[in-house]
Amino acid sequence: RKEVEQDPGPFNVPEGATVAFNCTYSNSASQSFFWYRQDCRKEPKLLMSVYSSGNEDGRFTAQLNRASQYISLLIRDSKLSDSATYLCVARSGNTGKLIFGQGTTLQVKP
Amino acid sequence: DVKVTQSSRYLVKRTGEKVFLECVQDMDHENMFWYRQDPGLGLRLIYFSYDVKMKEKGDIPEGYSVSREKKERFSLILESASTNQTSMYLCASSDFWTGVAMGEQFFGPGTRLTVL
Repeated sequence: RKEVEQDPGPFNVPEGATVAFNCTYSNSASQSFFWYRQDCRKEPKLLMSVYSSGNEDGRFTAQLNRASQYISLLIRDSKLSDSATYLCVARSGNTGKLIFGQGTTLQVKP
Repeated sequence: DVKVTQSSRYLVKRTGEKVFLECVQDMDHENMFWYRQDPGLGLRLIYFSYDVKMKEKGDIPEGYSVSREKKERFSLILESASTNQTSMYLCASSDFWTGVAMGEQFFGPGTRLTVL
């Protein structure tokens, strides 16, 4: 079983839609969680951190549920430019080592 | 801006060749990482380093070695390339303290290696 699992999609949504991605992790010792974004043929870049209390950055909201060991990312009012692959990431213990999920592909259509 | 550069964007090698992939970062980061990315498998950590001359195995180190002689440079070596090492290779770096806390790794553009 993969340590961080995501539905690969693709998720095809119209502009303006709200879309949610979930991710589960198996290692209860994982300390911190993040969402990265990877555009086609580009390198991954940090999108946002995920906190238990939930955190919001503009149209993006991330949530962590430690009891159920899942992480979510909600995108409101989808834009064409949101089309990308979203990687769910867990930090292993107190190290700088990150565990990446395989990614969920989002395609926003006009 | 943090910049992580990789020596080649595309590389084609033959089975059995020794392959060097170079990565350089310009932000004085302590941590450096090598990943490979394959469809359906995501990013998998090959090796990482927390300091000069220091290295630790990641999840899939078999068939690879690394070298970190200088802080800014982290090299990945395929001693004898095989076809199953055809992949996208990504290098990343992070600051030891804020990188650990914030989970931010800065990636290079990647090297697409094809082994024939």
